[in-house]
Amino acid sequence: DIQMTQSPSSLSASVGDRVTITCRASQGISNYLAWFQQKPGKAPKSLIYAASSLQSGVPSKFSGSGSGTDFTLTISSLQPEDFATYYCQQYNSYPWTFGQGTKVEIK
Amino acid sequence: EVQLVESGGGLVKPGGSLRLSCAASGFTFSSYSMNWVRQAPGKGLEWVSSISSSSSYIYYADSVKGRFTISRDNAKNSLYLQMNSLRAEDTAVYYCAREGGGWLPLDYWGQGTLVTVSS
Repeated sequence: DIQMTQSPSSLSASVGDRVTITCRASQGISNYLAWFQQKPGKAPKSLIYAASSLQSGVPSKFSGSGSGTDFTLTISSLQPEDFATYYCQQYNSYPWTFGQGTKVEIK
Repeated sequence: EVQLVESGGGLVKPGGSLRLSCAASGFTFSSYSMNWVRQAPGKGLEWVSSISSSSSYIYYADSVKGRFTISRDNAKNSLYLQMNSLRAEDTAVYYCAREGGGWLPLDYWGQGTLVTVSS
């Protein structure tokens, strides 16, 4: 199985900060990498697919990059509604696997 | 508007069975692969199972293989998860999620249904 490792596991940031979350795959997954946002008590929401493509309706402050084994999610200017937990997920091969999550908290 | 509504969750004893349903609307259900993803309380997301549009291809996580069965009824726009031999570690919120196709993985999710396995 492909292991997905996110870093950091949590971070504290201020409104307006630029935030970067990293996701590493245990083997190459090409660009089959997605990012999701989840708020407490809610279902995950798709943000990014194919490593860098923005899901329809998602604001452009979110961006993704990477290929192979190393990927990043960047939030250009953190807003109050962005405080949530973020997950990466590989869909290169079954079983699909998620990273452990990165909780973004208010500083 | 795409809508996915799960039902069938509840409290069940270890070793028991439960059948989850997911009612889909707002899109041509028969054209999309569908998935179940779960989340144990306070934990991360775990992919459980996937079924292709015509049920030709089915995949399971090792943790549920042999105990869970995914199925669908395209005439009823419904997805199912039959869960047998339930264990305490199966306690989780179960989400159904649509696979967007091509490069798009899980693009729409339901609100989830809670399954609690406890004596």
